[in-house]
Amino acid sequence: EIVMTQSPATLSVSPGERATLSCRASQSVGSNLAWYQQKSGQAPRLLIYGASTWATGIPARFRGSGSGTEFTLTISSLQSEDFAVYYCQQYNDWPHTFGQGTKVEIK
Amino acid sequence: EVQLVESGGGLVQPGGSLRLSCAASGFTFSSYEMNWVRQAPGKGLEWVAYISTSASTIYYADSVKGRFTISRDNAKNSLYLQMNNLGAEDTAVYYCARKEYYFDNWGQGTLVTVSS
Repeated sequence: EIVMTQSPATLSVSPGERATLSCRASQSVGSNLAWYQQKSGQAPRLLIYGASTWATGIPARFRGSGSGTEFTLTISSLQSEDFAVYYCQQYNDWPHTFGQGTKVEIK
Repeated sequence: EVQLVESGGGLVQPGGSLRLSCAASGFTFSSYEMNWVRQAPGKGLEWVAYISTSASTIYYADSVKGRFTISRDNAKNSLYLQMNNLGAEDTAVYYCARKEYYFDNWGQGTLVTVSS
């Protein structure tokens, strides 16, 4: 099973600042990496797939990068609606494992 | 608009059974692979089960193998999860999710609570 490790667990950021979230895979997943956003009490929402492709309707301030085992989600200028938990997921192999999540909170 | 609506959750005693349903609309259900994903209270996301378009291929997480059964009815645009021998560790919100390699659409979830 591929283990996905996200860091940090919690990120405290001021509105308007940049947030950088990391995701590491225990073995290469190529570009088969997705990022999801989950707000409190809501279902997850797809943000990025293919490591760097925006899902429909996702603003350009969300940027995914990386390949192989190291991936990054950058939120260039945090808006109030961006404070949430973010999960990475590999879909290169079964089981399609998720990271444990990074909570982005208001500083 | 893609819609996935889960139902069937509730309170069940340890060792009991429950059947979850997911009603799909706004897309050609029979053309998409589907999944169940769960989230225990205050915890992260855990993939549970996968079913191919024709149900010819099915996968389960080790944590539910032998106890849970995923199925689908393409004529009724519905996905199901039969859960048997439930334990406290199965308490979670259960989401159905459409698979387009990644999980591109999710339902709002249904809460399953296993407790005496």
